[in-house]
Order: sequence, then C-alpha cells, then structure tokens
Amino acid sequence: EPEVTQTPSHQVTQMGQEVILRCVPISNHLYFYWYRQILGQKVEFLVSFYNNEISEKSEIFDDQFSVERPDGSNFTLKIRSTKLEDSAMYFCAWFRTVTSGANVLTFGAGSRLTVL
Amino acid sequence: DQQVKQNSPSLSVQEGRISILNCDYTNSMFDYFLWYKKYPAEGPTFLISISSIKDKNEDGRFTVFLNKSAKHLSLHIVPSQPGDSAVYFCAASAAGGQNFVFGPGTRLSVLP
Repeated sequence: EPEVTQTPSHQVTQMGQEVILRCVPISNHLYFYWYRQILGQKVEFLVSFYNNEISEKSEIFDDQFSVERPDGSNFTLKIRSTKLEDSAMYFCAWFRTVTSGANVLTFGAGSRLTVL
Repeated sequence: DQQVKQNSPSLSVQEGRISILNCDYTNSMFDYFLWYKKYPAEGPTFLISISSIKDKNEDGRFTVFLNKSAKHLSLHIVPSQPGDSAVYFCAASAAGGQNFVFGPGTRLSVLP
C-alpha cells in the first residue's frame, strides 16, 4: 500500500504552459520534498516544505516553481511556464522510519514531465 | 561542483559474485549516507543507510562500509542476483540538513 500517489504519472505539455504535479494523499508528514531527475542524470533536490512553508530550496527552484499544500493533504509542485529543460521525472519524498530505527528519505513513484 | 561522486558509471558482475559500488564525497560535513536502487520510470528505493558514527552496516545481502578519513563509502552486494540489475545512487546529508545530495549513479548489470 503506497503512502503517497503521484499524479499524473506522465504529462506532455507545450513549452510555456503551466503544469501542476501532485502527491496524494499525505498524512502525518510535516516535511515534504521535491526532487527531480533529468533523463540519465542524477537525482537533484528542488525544495523542502515544512509546516506549509518552504524550508530550503536549491538553485534550480527559481521563480517559475512553487509548492503548496492547498487542502492539508495534497502536496503540489507548480511550474508556471515550462521550458524544454524542465523535462524530467519529478519525485515527491518524505522521511520514513525503517525497522532499524533510521530515518530514510522515501520517494514516490514519480511524475514524468515532457515539455515539447 | 560534485559533492558526491560515483566514478563508475556502469558495472557488470556475474550472478552469485560480489558487486562493489563505490561512492566518494568531498564535503566533510556529510554525516549520514543512504544507498538507493532505481529502476527506470520508478522512484529511488531505499536500500541501506549508515551514519558517521559507524564504519559498517549490514542488512541481508547488502553491506555498506564508510571510511570517513578517505571520504569514501562502498556498497557490497553478495551474492549478486539478476534482480539487482538497476542504477544505484548514494546520497549524503549534513547534520541537521534536510536535503540529500545524490551521486550520479552506477548502473549495475548482474549477468546470469
């Protein structure tokens, strides 16, 4: 049973269009993260979100990006005006305590964004 | 500025043998490390972690070794199985840090 579901699984959009990616549902998590992976490249941190505010963000996370938790459960990443280089897999992530007691960053299945 | 490096982009190993995946880091503030396995079109899956207070952590077929003085860690998989074929990422974070820095990954192919 997945803790979160990422939607859409794949979105194709035209350059300049707005895109909203979602993690649903999330409960009992205060910290959320967005990461992305451009095809064939490393997984990159975008932003962390704590208690409905941005906690930390990377250089990638410019003014075109925003994060929200609009209804207390869904966690969204919005790209206002997509560029070709935004094409990537986008992962939401959260911390989970595993059986050893360690807190590990756990990823959703991802949303593939293709910008044409 | 690659803070986390995985210098081998790919590795091929025979089934049943040991796979050794290496990771080097430059930031001495990193003190918590995770290894992930990733299949295409899926999210990274957590494998094993190690904190800087340890130099070894073992979980089943997976063992991670940490050499703090060399800023080097390695993941050993033994015995390797065909289902282990995937891309492996190491990731590091600093004390109190909320984001992890990932290496570029090593593609492991386990040949039957």
